[in-house]
Amino acid sequence: GENVEQHPSTLSVQEGDSAVIKCTYSDSASNYFPWYKQELGKRPQLIIDIRSNVGEKKDQRIAVTLNKTAKHFSLHITETQPEDSAVYFCAASKGDYKLSFGAGTTVTVRA
Amino acid sequence: GAGVSQSPSNKVTEKGKDVELRCDPISGHTALYWYRQSLGQGLEFLIYFQGNSAPDKSGLPSDRFSAERTGGSVSTLTIQRTQQEDSAVYLCASSLGNGDTQYFGPGTRLTVL
Repeated sequence: GENVEQHPSTLSVQEGDSAVIKCTYSDSASNYFPWYKQELGKRPQLIIDIRSNVGEKKDQRIAVTLNKTAKHFSLHITETQPEDSAVYFCAASKGDYKLSFGAGTTVTVRA
Repeated sequence: GAGVSQSPSNKVTEKGKDVELRCDPISGHTALYWYRQSLGQGLEFLIYFQGNSAPDKSGLPSDRFSAERTGGSVSTLTIQRTQQEDSAVYLCASSLGNGDTQYFGPGTRLTVL
């Protein structure tokens, strides 16, 4: 089955700096890559996703890049704010229902 | 509109007891998923329901786990003879259809003493 690895497990950044989280996947047939944000005690919420027919997607301060050859994708958060502090999960699927998740990255934005 | 809801929000049980966890998906969503999130871990796929098709149970960790979805809406995850390693947050998600964005419920935190 699909194996998704996520790094780093924890990330501390100064407010206003950028944060980058990287994920690799094992199944070359995977073609859908969502990112979820989970605040403490809350449900995971989709923040951005990308499909394999594009290499990059942006939504305000958040961007995701995909390198299908290398089988890795990354989340970029620019101009970080305290409300960006949360656990972020990457996931991969073959465009069907079964999402394989990374172990998560705990992001802390220091004021 | 209403999101995915789950009940109870917290459940404490004794080892060996059975538990039932409930999920109410978003109205109109045909696909429903159960995941397990252990402390400090990612989400582990358990089971998937799509319409009237046979569910994909490939993620269930043992035969003590079962789930059903009645009338294509509400789902119940049952864990029989609970063990301490079953302690986790159990998350339900639903999507409009196969491959669409999955929306998560708030989860049920299960603690097995």
